[in-house]
Amino acid sequence: TQLLEQSPQFLSIQEGENLTVYCNSSSVFSSLQWYRQEPGEGPVLLVTVVTGGEVKKLKRLTFQFGDARKDSSLHITAAQPGDTGLYLCAGAARSGNQFYFGTGTSLTVIP
Amino acid sequence: KAGVTQTPRYLIKTRGQQVTLSCSPISGHRSVSWYQQTPGQGLQFLFEYFSETQRNKGNFPGRFSGRQFSNSRSEMNVSTLELGDSALYLCASSFGGAVETQYFGPGTRLLVL
Repeated sequence: TQLLEQSPQFLSIQEGENLTVYCNSSSVFSSLQWYRQEPGEGPVLLVTVVTGGEVKKLKRLTFQFGDARKDSSLHITAAQPGDTGLYLCAGAARSGNQFYFGTGTSLTVIP
Repeated sequence: KAGVTQTPRYLIKTRGQQVTLSCSPISGHRSVSWYQQTPGQGLQFLFEYFSETQRNKGNFPGRFSGRQFSNSRSEMNVSTLELGDSALYLCASSFGGAVETQYFGPGTRLLVL
C-alpha cells in the first residue's frame, strides 16, 4: 500500500526557475524526511521535520510539514542543474517501526 | 567514517535461482534496513535488523529473507527468483532504529532474466 503520494511525478524546468514538490497522505506521521537520489546511488537525506507547521530552510531549499502532519512540501528557489535528481519523501510510522516512502518526483534542471 | 557499502553492485540471475546480497553498515550502527526500489512501486521496506534480530518486516513473501551478524553486517537472500524481483536493492543503516536518520548504501542492481 502506497501511503504517500508525490506530485508532480516528473518535472523539467530551466535553470533559475522556482518549483514546488508536494507529498500528501491521509495518514499522520510522527516525522517526515526528504531525500534526493542521483542515478546509481542511494538516497541522501536532506532534512527531517517533526513538528506540525514546521518550516526548515536549507540554502535554496525550503521544507514545510503540514499542520496535521499528513503532508509536506519542498520548494526550490532558483533551481540549478546540480538539483537534478529523484526527490523522495518518507514518513515515519507512528508505531515507530518503519518509514513509508513516497512515489518520488524526478526533477531535471536544464542549463 | 566510511559509508554504507553493498556488494555486489550489479547482478544478473535467471528465474528460479537464488541470490544473496551483502550490506556493511557504518561503523557503530546497529540497525540495518533493506528496501526494494522499482520504477512502478517505488521504494518499499523489506525488513529491519537490530542486534542480529529481525525487528520489523514489510509485506514481502517468504522468499525474501535476511540475517544480521554480530558485527552488524547484514545479508539479504531471495530464493526462487522471479522476473518481478528485478530491482535496486538498498540497505540503510542507523544507530538505533529504522525511524532514526538512515544512511543509504549505493544499492545492488539485480536483473532477473
